[in-house]
Amino acid sequence: AQSVAQPEDQVNVAEGNPLTVKCTYSVSGNPYLFWYVQYPNRGLQFLLKYITGDNLVKGSYGFEAEFNKSQTSFHLKKPSALVSDSALYFCAVRAPSGGSYIPTFGRGTSLIVHP
Amino acid sequence: GAGVSQSPRYKVTKRGQDVALRCDPISGHVSLYWYRQALGQGPEFLTYFNYEAQQDKSGLPNDRFSAERPEGSISTLTIQRTEQRDSAMYRCASSSSGVGALTTGELFFGEGSRLTVL
Repeated sequence: AQSVAQPEDQVNVAEGNPLTVKCTYSVSGNPYLFWYVQYPNRGLQFLLKYITGDNLVKGSYGFEAEFNKSQTSFHLKKPSALVSDSALYFCAVRAPSGGSYIPTFGRGTSLIVHP
Repeated sequence: GAGVSQSPRYKVTKRGQDVALRCDPISGHVSLYWYRQALGQGPEFLTYFNYEAQQDKSGLPNDRFSAERPEGSISTLTIQRTEQRDSAMYRCASSSSGVGALTTGELFFGEGSRLTVL
């Protein structure tokens, strides 16, 4: 079975500082990895994905994520946080070749950016 | 429409009643997913369609839950004889990728239907 772990329920960062939201995964075969963001009373919105190729992927709103196969991680990063980045962030994995192509989500991490 | 539309946004019902939740996906999207999300948790898979075919219903908790997508577009998730433990946010998502084994597509989510069973 495939799974995703987001070890931090909440991440606090000051505006202007770099941020990292952690994600680790467990799958058989090659993973397809995704990050989504959820603002209050809204649906989840796609941020970025890793399918193959360059381990560093760039997405919407200045976010990027680094795929690390040896550490089975896909941490979300941003060089300079904004107050408007405050939201819930979900990591998800698909593993068509050895697991399931149905996306499995982590429990989410609440990012709070302080002015 | 421009995005995935779900209705009703909020549903309050009494224990034992049946409820139907509707999802209208992005036009042309082949795949449609239903997830359930409890407070403080991530979305939990319920069922999945390609066109009108229900490809996987392994996440449906029990036989009170069913889903259909008869014309390959709008989908309905039905919960019969609701129980308090069914209270949650029910989320629908669609994706343009149709080939299950090779799909790399991201999901587009609706705003959800919040169900409260009293």
